[in-house]
Amino acid sequence: DQQVKQNSPSLSVQEGRISILNCDYTNSMFDYFLWYKKYPAEGPTFLISISSIKDKNEDGRFTVFLNKSAKHLSLHIVPSQPGDSAVYFCAASVAGAGSYQLTFGKGTKLSVIP
Amino acid sequence: GAGVSQSPSNKVTEKGKDVELRCDPISGHTALYWYRQSLGQGLEFLIYFQGNSAPDKSGLPSDRFSAERTGGSVSTLTIQRTQQEDSAVYLCASSLVGPTNQPQHFGDGTRLSIL
Repeated sequence: DQQVKQNSPSLSVQEGRISILNCDYTNSMFDYFLWYKKYPAEGPTFLISISSIKDKNEDGRFTVFLNKSAKHLSLHIVPSQPGDSAVYFCAASVAGAGSYQLTFGKGTKLSVIP
Repeated sequence: GAGVSQSPSNKVTEKGKDVELRCDPISGHTALYWYRQSLGQGLEFLIYFQGNSAPDKSGLPSDRFSAERTGGSVSTLTIQRTQQEDSAVYLCASSLVGPTNQPQHFGDGTRLSIL
């Protein structure tokens, strides 16, 4: 039972354009959501997060949108750069559950074409 | 260093041997987590430490897996009598714990290969 789903295994975008990565979840108890970027042979790097009390959070070129009614979140990267090419993981947790464990999607491989 | 440090970075061992993986979290982070990523899969939670205690061990796949944390800092994950299905990248993360949600910061992992 996959509680966090990233349905697109890969995405190709032209440099300078917008990259949109999507994530769906099934557990309505999730209330904290994060995006991580991962290069080969390295650990995931935290990018941006959003609490369920918000519907948007912005940090430079990265914006995360949360639609709680649809149980959907997305990461927008504008403008996309070749260095953004990596695997992006969506993750979620239940605050106050005593654990803070993250549940991850399987990732989307983004390729930004120069 | 400033980040989460894991050792060894790679480990190859024979089936049936015991292995120990080490994690040194970011200084001041009281929460520590172990995850693993098997080939083609997402990250799978194993265990969570708050200080030296482990309130959530729900992700450990079998009693061959154990972990401890001493001094509220370094943690070791031990796998006894390794099996081929234990082959994966084992990732450690740490975070602050506070009144608001805190992101977890990951090390580069230990790539474990069981022959």
